[in-house]
Amino acid sequence: EDQVTQSPEALRLQEGESSSLNCSYTVSGLRGLFWYRQDPGKGPEFLFTLYSAGEEKEKERLKATLTKKESFLHITAPKPEDSATYLCAVRSQTGANNLFFGTGTRLTVIP
Amino acid sequence: DTGVSQNPRHKITKRGQNVTFRCDPISEHNRLYWYRQTLGQGPEFLTYFQNEAQLEKSRLLSDRFSAERPKGSFSTLEIQRTEQGDSAMYLCASSLAGQDYYGYTFGSGTRLTVV
Repeated sequence: EDQVTQSPEALRLQEGESSSLNCSYTVSGLRGLFWYRQDPGKGPEFLFTLYSAGEEKEKERLKATLTKKESFLHITAPKPEDSATYLCAVRSQTGANNLFFGTGTRLTVIP
Repeated sequence: DTGVSQNPRHKITKRGQNVTFRCDPISEHNRLYWYRQTLGQGPEFLTYFQNEAQLEKSRLLSDRFSAERPKGSFSTLEIQRTEQGDSAMYLCASSLAGQDYYGYTFGSGTRLTVV
């Protein structure tokens, strides 16, 4: 059975204080690991897709990396507008075309 | 194209009533997904369409839930005889087959409250 565990559950950072969010996964044949950002009352917003160990993707202050067991979302010099819940999801060979989500990390960046 | 559109944004209903939600995907997307999200949790998969065919349903989807996608365009999700446990955000997403690299595009959801 697919499993996705995100840590920490919540993270408070001072503006400019870099940190990383973790997503550990167990799947039968990874067909993609997805990162999303979700603001309160809104649907998830796509950030990155990673397919193989060693792959990295970057967008502004965010950088996602992937190993065979986990993914990290690195946030460099965060700003208050980066405050959101960050969700990790996997697509597996047994899960067909649906995404299996973790419970997310709620990030708060304090000015 | 304004993305994935969901209506209504909010719905309050009495227990036992039926409710229907609508999702309009991105026009060129042939895949459409329904998810349910409760407070503090990630979205949970409910069902998936490719064009008008419903190809997969989660075990979470009880007999009171039914979804359709006539003509492979918009989709509706109906919940019959609502229960308080059905209170959640119902999210719709769409994608184009073979281009999952770009992720699934989610709508803003319909928040259902059963009283």
